[in-house]
Amino acid sequence: DTEVTQTPKHLVMGMTNKKSLKCEQHMGHRAMYWYKQKAKKPPELMFVYSYEKLSINESVPSRFSPECPNSSLLNLHLHALQPEDSALYLCASSQVGQGIGNSPLHFGNGTRLTVT
Amino acid sequence: LAKTTQPISMDSYEGQEVNITCSHNNIATNDYITWYQQFPSQGPRFIIQGYKTKVTNEVASLFIPADRKSSTLSLPRVSLSDTAVYYCLVGDGSGGGADGLTFGKGTHLIIQP
Repeated sequence: DTEVTQTPKHLVMGMTNKKSLKCEQHMGHRAMYWYKQKAKKPPELMFVYSYEKLSINESVPSRFSPECPNSSLLNLHLHALQPEDSALYLCASSQVGQGIGNSPLHFGNGTRLTVT
Repeated sequence: LAKTTQPISMDSYEGQEVNITCSHNNIATNDYITWYQQFPSQGPRFIIQGYKTKVTNEVASLFIPADRKSSTLSLPRVSLSDTAVYYCLVGDGSGGGADGLTFGKGTHLIIQP
């Protein structure tokens, strides 16, 4: 079990669907992150929110739209995805600001997304 | 952005001590070194973090030489359940960029009976 909860655990969607991934943490962390991980590859940073504001967008296509409604919640809205977007989507949070220093990342166990 | 280099894979046996070294030649003064462990279909899990010399916790030790251009994660008396991918990240997270948030290729550690 992790302190970062991601739902759903699995998601299958067609290329014309709209779906959302959800992430929640109650550790009082003020930075939250989305990563994408393909099989046998390292996690790739997508977005960073710091104090509910988007601070990093790693040139992610607009078919991925992040949202941070409050400091505990992070959503990733998906629209018109491609089969190559199939991957494990990981959410993480950290205690202060962003990144490491004294603030390690706490990850959820991800949403396994399949685009058909 | 400090780039890290690790061995792609390592093998060892139950009960042995395993040392995984990470090279980070252009580490900056403010950078910390953080190690994560990842099992298949799970998110990475924080193991240990350090700045210099030696850090020890209940699961691992981290050795950092004076020049800080490398670091070694030491896992004492490994078991089969330590089979995982281990990632070394370097950064201080204060620069406003992806510093310290970028995963390298990691080391796939395989423990055999």
